[in-house]
Amino acid sequence: TQLLEQSPQFLSIQEGENLTVYCNSSSVFSSLQWYRQEPGEGPVLLVTVVTGGEVKKLKRLTFQFGDARKDSSLHITAAQPGDTGLYLCAGGDNYGQNFVFGPGTRLSVLP
Amino acid sequence: EAQVTQNPRYLITVTGKKLTVTCSQNMNHEYMSWYRQDPGLGLRQIYYSMNVEVTDKGDVPEGYKVSRKEKRNFPLILESPSPNQTSLYFCASQSGTGALSPLHFGNGTRLTVT
Repeated sequence: TQLLEQSPQFLSIQEGENLTVYCNSSSVFSSLQWYRQEPGEGPVLLVTVVTGGEVKKLKRLTFQFGDARKDSSLHITAAQPGDTGLYLCAGGDNYGQNFVFGPGTRLSVLP
Repeated sequence: EAQVTQNPRYLITVTGKKLTVTCSQNMNHEYMSWYRQDPGLGLRQIYYSMNVEVTDKGDVPEGYKVSRKEKRNFPLILESPSPNQTSLYFCASQSGTGALSPLHFGNGTRLTVT
């Protein structure tokens, strides 16, 4: 069974700080997706990375897929209260249908 | 508006009383799936369906049933709920195969079984 670990589990920072959260596995994934989930809602896709070493930027968020496609990181620059939420990584199989989700990193950005 | 709709949002029931959680999507997606979310465990897939009348087990299918008689609907059935099925449930749909096809989630159903 493929497993994904995320760290840290909880993170509380002040507005304006930078942070990085990690998603690690001993398995190789064909793709890696990052979702953000807010209270009372379902997860919403932020980005998909498919190539080892790939880096994608979404405004203040930078996503990287490890060279071996076993890990990924999410870096947020100058965090804002609107970034508060649960960040989930999900590894996809060869068909992009069945995803294994990590337990999530719960981020709280204080004003 | 493109969306995945689950009902009910909250459900409290007793052990053994059959229940159904409905899921409907208006995006004409072929692929649909059910997940449960528990603290520290993340989202775990219960069942998925690649198209009408095609369903398969996910990672935690015990105690659940599904059906896919129409493309838009994918109900989750608990024939005899037990307290260990207390959880937050999400339905998701996907437009097709491929890593770049995102999962679209509903807003969840919080189930409590006493």
